[in-house]
Parts: sequence; C-alpha cells; structure tokens
Amino acid sequence: QKEVEQNSGPLSVPEGAIASLNCTYSDRGSQSFFWYRQYSGKSPELIMFIYSNGDKEDGRFTAQLNKASQYVSLLIRDSQPSDSATYLCAGGAGGGADGLTFGKGTHLIIQP
Amino acid sequence: KAGVTQTPRYLIKTRGQQVTLSCSPISGHRSVSWYQQTPGQGLQFLFEYFSETQRNKGNFPGRFSGRQFSNSRSEMNVSTLELGDSALYLCASSSLVQETQYFGPGTRLLVL
Repeated sequence: QKEVEQNSGPLSVPEGAIASLNCTYSDRGSQSFFWYRQYSGKSPELIMFIYSNGDKEDGRFTAQLNKASQYVSLLIRDSQPSDSATYLCAGGAGGGADGLTFGKGTHLIIQP
Repeated sequence: KAGVTQTPRYLIKTRGQQVTLSCSPISGHRSVSWYQQTPGQGLQFLFEYFSETQRNKGNFPGRFSGRQFSNSRSEMNVSTLELGDSALYLCASSSLVQETQYFGPGTRLLVL
C-alpha cells in the first residue's frame, strides 16, 4: 500500500527563521511530488511541485527531492506568521496511474 | 481564469439518505479528482475522471460513485449515508491526468 508519512507536529518556528518540513514515501514508483498549504477551514492550495532529484526554488520556498532515500522536504525561508498552516505532502505515480497519495500533514506555527 | 467551483458548500443529511455533490473544473481542464478529508484519516482519494471515463478509483465502498459530463463537470454521489461519511469533500482539476491538481473550496457534509 502506498503511504506518505509526515510528522503531524505542531512544528513551532520563530518569525524570520527557516521552517523545514519533511515527508517520506513508500512507493518507489512515485514520480511526482507536491506540497500543498491548507489553512484551517479552507481547501489545500498548491505551493510547489517537484519531479527531479535535487532542489527547486520558488521565492521563499525550496522543495528538495531525494528519490534514493524516498524523501521530500519543503524549506520556507524568512518564515512569516501568515505561513502558519497545515502543509500536505503528496506523491503521484505520473502518467495516469492512481490518484495522488497524501500525507496527513504537518501543522506549522510561526511565532511572532 | 476562474478556479474550481463546488456546490453546495455545506450540506446536512440524515443517515440512509443520499447526496449528490457537483464540481466544475478550471476552464480547459479535463481531469477531475475527488477526495474525502476527515480529521482522523486525512485526505483520501476517491476517484478520478478524464474525458467522461473513470480512470482511477480509491478504496471506498460502492456507495460512493461519480460521473463526468462532456463539459468536464463532475458529480459524485453517496448513497445510504452513514455517520462516518461526514467529511469535507474536495474536488481537484488538472489539465492532464496526474499533472498538478488545483482544489476547489470543498463541500462540507454533515450526516446526522
């Protein structure tokens, strides 16, 4: 069974610091990975996606993928109180297989 | 470009009833996926439709069904509702199967 594991948190980070969110996955066939942010009572909002090993940067966000270790991470630089949310990691097989498999999310709290 | 829309936003039903939820994807998107989100289980994949065909199905009982129309709009139906069906039902659309998915605001279903 495909699984995506995340530490549920809460992860507390001071404002301005780097928040590091981690995710591991069980299916070596997973090709694509996504990070979503979900505020309480709202639907998930796409932050980043990554397909290749290495780092991908977008503004204050950096996604990292290590397929050998089956590990995905999201770094948030210069954390802001508005970054406080639950972050969902998802993996997909790519090319029309099963739907995305989501982790249960990490609750991030940015302390002012 | 308008985002994914879902109707209704809130719904209260009683056990044994059935319910139909509707989703309109982003214009031009032909793939629609449905997810159930609960506090205990997180986001779980229900099914995915592409060009009016169900491409993938998650591990849910047959009481959960769906369909997609020629204009890519999708509906999901839950028959013989149970208390455990109370959840946030999310629809996501993408331009190609397994590409980046964008979520709608969700339908919050409460079964009494």
